Amino acid sequence: KNEVEQSPQNLTAQEGEFITINCSYSVGISALHWLQQHPGGGIVSLFMLSSGKKKHGRLIATINIQEKHSSLHITASHPRDSAVYICAAPRSGGGADGLTFGKGTHLIIQP
Amino acid sequence: DTGVSQDPRHKITKRGQNVTFRCDPISEHNRLYWYRQTLGQGPEFLTYFQNEAQLEKSRLLSDRFSAERPKGSFSTLEIQRTEQGDSAMYLCASRNSGASDTQYFGPGTRLTVL
Repeated sequence: KNEVEQSPQNLTAQEGEFITINCSYSVGISALHWLQQHPGGGIVSLFMLSSGKKKHGRLIATINIQEKHSSLHITASHPRDSAVYICAAPRSGGGADGLTFGKGTHLIIQP
Repeated sequence: DTGVSQDPRHKITKRGQNVTFRCDPISEHNRLYWYRQTLGQGPEFLTYFQNEAQLEKSRLLSDRFSAERPKGSFSTLEIQRTEQGDSAMYLCASRNSGASDTQYFGPGTRLTVL
Protein backbone atom coordinates (compact mmCIF):
# COMPACT_ATOMS: atom_id res chain seq x y z
CA LYS A 1 0.00 0.00 0.00
CA ASN A 2 1.33 3.42 -0.94
CA GLU A 3 1.72 5.89 1.91
CA VAL A 4 1.62 9.57 1.00
CA GLU A 5 2.96 12.25 3.34
CA GLN A 6 2.64 15.99 2.85
CA SER A 7 4.20 18.94 4.55
CA PRO A 8 3.46 21.41 5.89
CA GLN A 9 -0.11 20.69 7.01
CA ASN A 10 -0.87 24.39 7.35
CA LEU A 11 0.81 27.36 5.73
CA THR A 12 0.02 31.05 6.02
CA ALA A 13 1.93 33.50 3.86
CA GLN A 14 1.74 37.05 2.61
CA GLU A 15 0.65 37.91 -0.89
CA GLY A 16 3.56 37.73 -3.30
CA GLU A 17 5.55 35.11 -1.40
CA PHE A 18 6.98 32.01 -3.06
CA ILE A 19 5.20 28.91 -1.72
CA THR A 20 6.51 25.35 -1.56
CA ILE A 21 4.51 22.27 -0.56
CA ASN A 22 6.23 18.91 -0.30
CA CYS A 23 5.00 15.38 -0.88
CA SER A 24 6.69 12.02 -0.37
CA TYR A 25 5.39 8.55 -1.12
CA SER A 26 6.52 5.08 -0.19
CA VAL A 27 6.00 2.93 -3.28
CA GLY A 28 7.44 3.56 -6.72
CA ILE A 29 4.81 4.98 -9.04
CA SER A 30 4.20 5.86 -12.65
CA ALA A 31 2.75 9.30 -11.95
CA LEU A 32 1.84 11.61 -9.10
CA HIS A 33 -1.12 13.96 -8.93
CA TRP A 34 -1.47 17.40 -7.41
CA LEU A 35 -5.02 18.49 -6.64
CA GLN A 36 -6.62 21.66 -5.35
CA GLN A 37 -9.66 21.73 -3.11
CA HIS A 38 -11.56 24.91 -2.37
CA PRO A 39 -13.97 25.40 0.53
CA GLY A 40 -17.17 23.55 -0.34
CA GLY A 41 -15.34 20.42 -1.41
CA GLY A 42 -14.79 20.54 -5.18
CA ILE A 43 -11.49 19.01 -6.22
CA VAL A 44 -9.63 20.10 -9.33
CA SER A 45 -6.69 18.26 -10.79
CA LEU A 46 -3.72 20.60 -11.19
CA PHE A 47 -0.98 18.30 -12.44
CA MET A 48 -0.21 14.72 -13.21
CA LEU A 49 3.49 14.20 -13.62
CA SER A 50 5.79 11.25 -14.01
CA SER A 51 9.16 12.99 -14.34
CA GLY A 52 10.87 16.34 -14.27
CA LYS A 53 8.82 19.47 -14.03
CA LYS A 54 5.49 20.88 -15.23
CA LYS A 55 4.37 24.50 -15.21
CA HIS A 56 0.93 26.02 -15.49
CA GLY A 57 0.73 29.74 -14.95
CA ARG A 58 2.17 30.49 -11.54
CA LEU A 59 2.13 26.85 -10.47
CA ILE A 60 5.13 24.58 -10.89
CA ALA A 61 5.30 20.91 -9.95
CA THR A 62 8.46 18.85 -9.79
CA ILE A 63 9.05 15.19 -9.11
CA ASN A 64 12.07 13.07 -8.30
CA ILE A 65 11.09 9.48 -8.97
CA GLN A 66 14.26 8.02 -7.44
CA GLU A 67 13.76 9.90 -4.17
CA LYS A 68 9.95 9.39 -4.24
CA HIS A 69 9.42 13.09 -3.65
CA SER A 70 7.46 15.85 -5.33
CA SER A 71 7.04 19.56 -4.71
CA LEU A 72 4.39 22.06 -5.69
CA HIS A 73 5.49 25.67 -5.96
CA ILE A 74 3.41 28.80 -6.30
CA THR A 75 5.14 31.94 -7.51
CA ALA A 76 3.84 35.44 -6.73
CA SER A 77 1.14 33.99 -4.47
CA HIS A 78 -2.27 35.64 -4.38
CA PRO A 79 -5.18 35.40 -1.95
CA ARG A 80 -7.16 33.46 -4.55
CA ASP A 81 -4.55 30.70 -4.23
CA SER A 82 -5.90 30.02 -0.73
CA ALA A 83 -7.11 26.42 -0.77
CA VAL A 84 -6.17 22.93 0.31
CA TYR A 85 -3.53 21.33 -1.89
CA ILE A 86 -3.44 17.54 -1.96
CA CYS A 87 -0.96 15.18 -3.52
CA ALA A 88 -2.06 11.72 -4.57
CA ALA A 89 -0.35 8.61 -5.87
CA PRO A 90 -1.59 5.31 -7.31
CA ARG A 91 -2.73 3.14 -4.42
CA SER A 92 -0.24 0.34 -4.78
CA GLY A 93 2.34 1.58 -7.20
CA GLY A 94 0.89 -0.04 -10.27
CA GLY A 95 -1.51 -2.75 -9.12
CA ALA A 96 -4.96 -1.76 -7.92
CA ASP A 97 -6.57 1.30 -9.45
CA GLY A 98 -7.58 4.48 -7.68
CA LEU A 99 -5.53 6.98 -5.71
CA THR A 100 -4.20 7.29 -2.21
CA PHE A 101 -4.05 10.84 -0.92
CA GLY A 102 -2.01 12.93 1.45
CA LYS A 103 -3.85 14.77 4.20
CA GLY A 104 -3.51 18.03 2.33
CA THR A 105 -1.84 21.36 2.95
CA HIS A 106 -4.15 24.15 4.01
CA LEU A 107 -2.75 27.29 2.41
CA ILE A 108 -3.85 30.81 3.34
CA ILE A 109 -2.47 33.78 1.43
CA GLN A 110 -3.05 37.04 3.24
CA PRO A 111 -3.32 40.30 1.28
CA ASP B 1 -16.96 22.49 -13.85
CA THR B 2 -15.05 19.26 -14.51
CA GLY B 3 -17.95 17.52 -16.25
CA VAL B 4 -18.57 15.13 -13.35
CA SER B 5 -21.74 15.89 -11.41
CA GLN B 6 -23.01 14.62 -8.09
CA ASP B 7 -26.42 14.83 -6.50
CA PRO B 8 -27.33 15.92 -3.94
CA ARG B 9 -24.60 18.34 -2.91
CA HIS B 10 -25.67 18.24 0.72
CA LYS B 11 -27.65 15.69 2.68
CA ILE B 12 -28.67 15.86 6.32
CA THR B 13 -30.23 12.74 7.74
CA LYS B 14 -31.03 11.17 11.05
CA ARG B 15 -29.15 8.19 12.35
CA GLY B 16 -30.67 4.95 11.11
CA GLN B 17 -32.04 6.35 7.86
CA ASN B 18 -30.96 5.18 4.41
CA VAL B 19 -29.39 7.60 1.94
CA THR B 20 -28.49 7.33 -1.73
CA PHE B 21 -26.08 9.49 -3.70
CA ARG B 22 -25.72 9.73 -7.44
CA CYS B 23 -22.70 10.40 -9.63
CA ASP B 24 -22.80 11.20 -13.33
CA PRO B 25 -19.32 10.83 -14.82
CA ILE B 26 -17.97 12.29 -18.03
CA SER B 27 -19.86 10.30 -20.65
CA GLU B 28 -16.94 8.62 -22.39
CA HIS B 29 -15.20 7.63 -19.16
CA ASN B 30 -15.35 3.91 -18.44
CA ARG B 31 -13.83 4.05 -14.95
CA LEU B 32 -15.68 5.54 -12.01
CA TYR B 33 -14.38 5.90 -8.45
CA TRP B 34 -15.93 6.66 -5.09
CA TYR B 35 -13.89 8.23 -2.30
CA ARG B 36 -14.77 9.42 1.19
CA GLN B 37 -13.22 12.43 2.89
CA THR B 38 -13.61 13.17 6.57
CA LEU B 39 -12.87 16.55 8.06
CA GLY B 40 -9.19 17.47 7.95
CA GLN B 41 -8.19 14.34 6.08
CA GLY B 42 -7.40 13.50 2.49
CA PRO B 43 -9.91 11.41 0.55
CA GLU B 44 -9.87 7.63 0.99
CA PHE B 45 -10.63 5.10 -1.71
CA LEU B 46 -13.95 3.25 -1.38
CA THR B 47 -14.60 1.42 -4.63
CA TYR B 48 -14.31 1.64 -8.40
CA PHE B 49 -16.05 0.43 -11.53
CA GLN B 50 -14.96 -0.38 -15.02
CA ASN B 51 -18.12 0.09 -17.04
CA GLU B 52 -20.81 -1.71 -15.01
CA ALA B 53 -18.43 -4.08 -13.20
CA GLN B 54 -17.41 -3.23 -9.64
CA LEU B 55 -13.78 -4.30 -9.65
CA GLU B 56 -12.71 -3.53 -6.10
CA LYS B 57 -14.17 -2.55 -2.75
CA SER B 58 -12.19 -1.12 0.14
CA ARG B 59 -12.42 -2.63 3.61
CA LEU B 60 -13.80 0.79 4.57
CA LEU B 61 -17.03 -0.22 2.84
CA SER B 62 -19.02 -2.06 5.45
CA ASP B 63 -22.02 -4.21 4.58
CA ARG B 64 -24.19 -1.12 5.01
CA PHE B 65 -22.66 0.42 1.90
CA SER B 66 -23.51 -0.63 -1.63
CA ALA B 67 -22.54 0.91 -4.94
CA GLU B 68 -23.88 0.21 -8.39
CA ARG B 69 -23.29 1.34 -11.94
CA PRO B 70 -26.08 -0.53 -13.71
CA LYS B 71 -25.57 0.61 -17.29
CA GLY B 72 -21.97 1.64 -17.09
CA SER B 73 -22.91 5.30 -16.99
CA PHE B 74 -24.12 6.91 -13.75
CA SER B 75 -23.42 5.32 -10.38
CA THR B 76 -25.22 5.28 -7.06
CA LEU B 77 -23.82 4.86 -3.57
CA GLU B 78 -26.30 3.79 -0.91
CA ILE B 79 -25.72 3.79 2.82
CA GLN B 80 -28.20 1.84 4.90
CA ARG B 81 -28.87 2.48 8.59
CA THR B 82 -26.62 5.53 8.67
CA GLU B 83 -24.38 6.15 11.66
CA GLN B 84 -22.82 9.40 12.86
CA GLY B 85 -19.44 8.09 11.73
CA ASP B 86 -20.70 8.09 8.16
CA SER B 87 -20.69 11.90 8.17
CA ALA B 88 -18.21 12.88 5.48
CA MET B 89 -17.79 14.25 1.98
CA TYR B 90 -18.40 11.55 -0.63
CA LEU B 91 -16.47 12.21 -3.80
CA CYS B 92 -16.88 10.66 -7.21
CA ALA B 93 -14.26 10.71 -9.95
CA SER B 94 -14.01 9.31 -13.43
CA ARG B 95 -11.45 8.68 -16.13
CA ASN B 96 -10.97 6.77 -19.32
CA SER B 97 -8.76 3.75 -18.72
CA GLY B 98 -7.51 3.94 -22.29
CA ALA B 99 -6.18 7.46 -21.95
CA SER B 100 -4.53 9.70 -19.39
CA ASP B 101 -4.51 8.63 -15.75
CA THR B 102 -5.95 11.99 -14.74
CA GLN B 103 -9.11 11.58 -12.73
CA TYR B 104 -11.84 14.19 -12.96
CA PHE B 105 -13.58 14.83 -9.67
CA GLY B 106 -17.15 15.81 -8.98
CA PRO B 107 -18.09 18.48 -6.44
CA GLY B 108 -18.90 15.90 -3.77
CA THR B 109 -21.90 15.15 -1.60
CA ARG B 110 -21.56 16.29 2.01
CA LEU B 111 -23.42 13.94 4.34
CA THR B 112 -24.29 14.93 7.88
CA VAL B 113 -25.80 12.26 10.12
CA LEU B 114 -27.50 13.67 13.21
